[in-house]
Amino acid sequence: DQQVKQNSPSLSVQEGRISILNCDYTNSMFDYFLWYKKYPAEGPTFLISISSIKDKNEDGRFTVFLNKSAKHLSLHIVPSQPGDSAVYFCAAEEYGNKLVFGAGTILRVKS
Amino acid sequence: GAGVSQSPSNKVTEKGKDVELRCDPISGHTALYWYRQRLGQGLEFLIYFQGNSAPDKSGLPSDRFSAERTGESVSTLTIQRTQQEDSAVYLCASSKGRADNEQFFGPGTRLTVL
Repeated sequence: DQQVKQNSPSLSVQEGRISILNCDYTNSMFDYFLWYKKYPAEGPTFLISISSIKDKNEDGRFTVFLNKSAKHLSLHIVPSQPGDSAVYFCAAEEYGNKLVFGAGTILRVKS
Repeated sequence: GAGVSQSPSNKVTEKGKDVELRCDPISGHTALYWYRQRLGQGLEFLIYFQGNSAPDKSGLPSDRFSAERTGESVSTLTIQRTQQEDSAVYLCASSKGRADNEQFFGPGTRLTVL
């Protein structure tokens, strides 16, 4: 049973436009959510996070939105750049800092 | 380097053999995590260390899997009698501890069991 789901395996966006990556979760006990970015042959790198007491967190071109009632979060990247092309993982934190990851979404930003 | 390192980067083994994977966390990070990523899937939690003890081993898939950590530093993940379904990328991450949520990942070890 997947507790964190990223239903879009891939997304293609034109450079300069907005990229929206979505994530759904089922466990209402999750209280912290993170987005990681992964390039081929490298480990995931932390991108942005949000606590369950907030509904939005912004860091430069990256904004994460959390809708607790819908158990849904999204990552917005604007404007998208070719260097943003990577796999994006949504993760939710359980007790003890264990992260539960989604399957990832491949983002391709076309120039 | 200042990041998390893992060795080997690639390991090919025959079914039934034992393998050891190593993780060197960032110096001073008290928490250490092992995950694995099978092809086309997300990262799957295996085990978590706080210091040298493992309060959460819930993700270890079978008793063929074990891990230890010494000196609040290096960790080894051992898989005994490997099976083909063990083929995956094994990722290690470390963090400053429970008060700090950001986990820093190593590049992973790609294990292929023939």
